Amino acid sequence: KAGVTQTPRYLIKTRGQQVTLSCSPISGHRSVSWYQQTPGQGLQFLFEYFSETQRNKGNFPGRFSGRQFSNSRSEMNVSTLELGDSALYLCASSLTGVLNTEAFFGQGTRLTVV
Amino acid sequence: SQQGEEDPQALSIQEGENATMNCSYKTSINNLQWYRQNSGRGLVHLILIRSNEREKHSGRLRVTLDTSKKSSSLLITASRAADTASYFCATDHFGGATNKLIFGTGTLLAVQP
Repeated sequence: KAGVTQTPRYLIKTRGQQVTLSCSPISGHRSVSWYQQTPGQGLQFLFEYFSETQRNKGNFPGRFSGRQFSNSRSEMNVSTLELGDSALYLCASSLTGVLNTEAFFGQGTRLTVV
Repeated sequence: SQQGEEDPQALSIQEGENATMNCSYKTSINNLQWYRQNSGRGLVHLILIRSNEREKHSGRLRVTLDTSKKSSSLLITASRAADTASYFCATDHFGGATNKLIFGTGTLLAVQP
């Protein structure tokens, strides 16, 4: 079966702009989680969506938002970009949630803010 | 920080040798998972071990869990150059509206051919 697809793979944005990242989970998976990975902070949880509802949320400012569509595809939006938002953004797809089942990760979107 | 700590931060071994990496965490868990990440790419799930399990095997991988010490170890036997990657442990965390997987800081493993 097809894996988790994240688009785009690379992005360069300017401070103050906004960006939308997309994640298509494995067919049949209803949970999509988003993570930010930076050299300094490591892997940080952003939020999780399950059946179109945000089920869990990490400690990120309101500039970070997301949504999930009826086909389980998810988007993540970051508004008013800051230099510190430069990171690898990973989404994880799982049947019921990453806490107790295997999560399948996409290749990530590398965002550079200049 | 809520993250777990992994030890060592970096490990360099020769092909054929065994590699052991350790993970310590802070709060009680239901499950602990290990993931591998090749340079700058997505994570690949290796093993999930539940809190009532002490040891689990998958191919050349062996994971142990000691809940009394809040620690886990990952052993890779007969390592190969293709095992070169970063390895992360991840624990479940339940905190009100924020239930999440917390990743450790990772161990960078380099297997020299």
